[in-house]
Amino acid sequence: NAGVTQTPKFQVLKTGQSMTLQCAQDMNHNSMYWYRQDPGMGLRLIYYSASEGTTDKGEVPNGYNVSRLNKREFSLRLESAAPSQTSVYFCASDRDRGMNEQFFGPGTRLTVL
Amino acid sequence: KNEVEQSPQNLTAQEGEFITINCSYSVGISALHWLQQHPGGGIVSLFMLSSGKKKHGRLIATINIQEKHSSLHITASHPRDSAVYICAVPIIQGAQKLVFGQGTRLTINP
Repeated sequence: NAGVTQTPKFQVLKTGQSMTLQCAQDMNHNSMYWYRQDPGMGLRLIYYSASEGTTDKGEVPNGYNVSRLNKREFSLRLESAAPSQTSVYFCASDRDRGMNEQFFGPGTRLTVL
Repeated sequence: KNEVEQSPQNLTAQEGEFITINCSYSVGISALHWLQQHPGGGIVSLFMLSSGKKKHGRLIATINIQEKHSSLHITASHPRDSAVYICAVPIIQGAQKLVFGQGTRLTINP
């Protein structure tokens, strides 16, 4: 039982490049989330998927797209990376929309030059 | 205005001291989460509570729904308790999701 896995763990991009962050959970959770964490800002929600087949914008969705590929996988795509997207990205999942214990992936440290 | 406010933002204490971290929220909720983020960056869930008190080892979490306030206590603190502690509440904005406090950075000196 791996919990929540994320790839990659580290990534350096040049401005304008694109990339996809992958996330998978093996706990049969319905809800999945992408957060970013910046110094002094706390965790901020980018996008979430309350259940398979649905996605919704969070607090800071601009510059990102997501895909809930199936119940296990939820990917985050940066189409044209900008330095303002330098951050640590966390994927998380829970059984039901924040009303149960939330499990976090190990994080992806992204630097955009 | 933040919907979830934590205090203090930073706390330094000596090993063995009793620690209290506070969380106040301005939205109506039915539950509250306490999370711990270690210096290495990993985030783990400590508690989810909707009333009263929960205890796990040296950690105790309390909540007062009427006063919209929760506290996290650590008894007999140890340097390994050094971490950032985060409270979060589920709110309904469209669909239901978590809103996080800014975190409290705790440092326990030996």
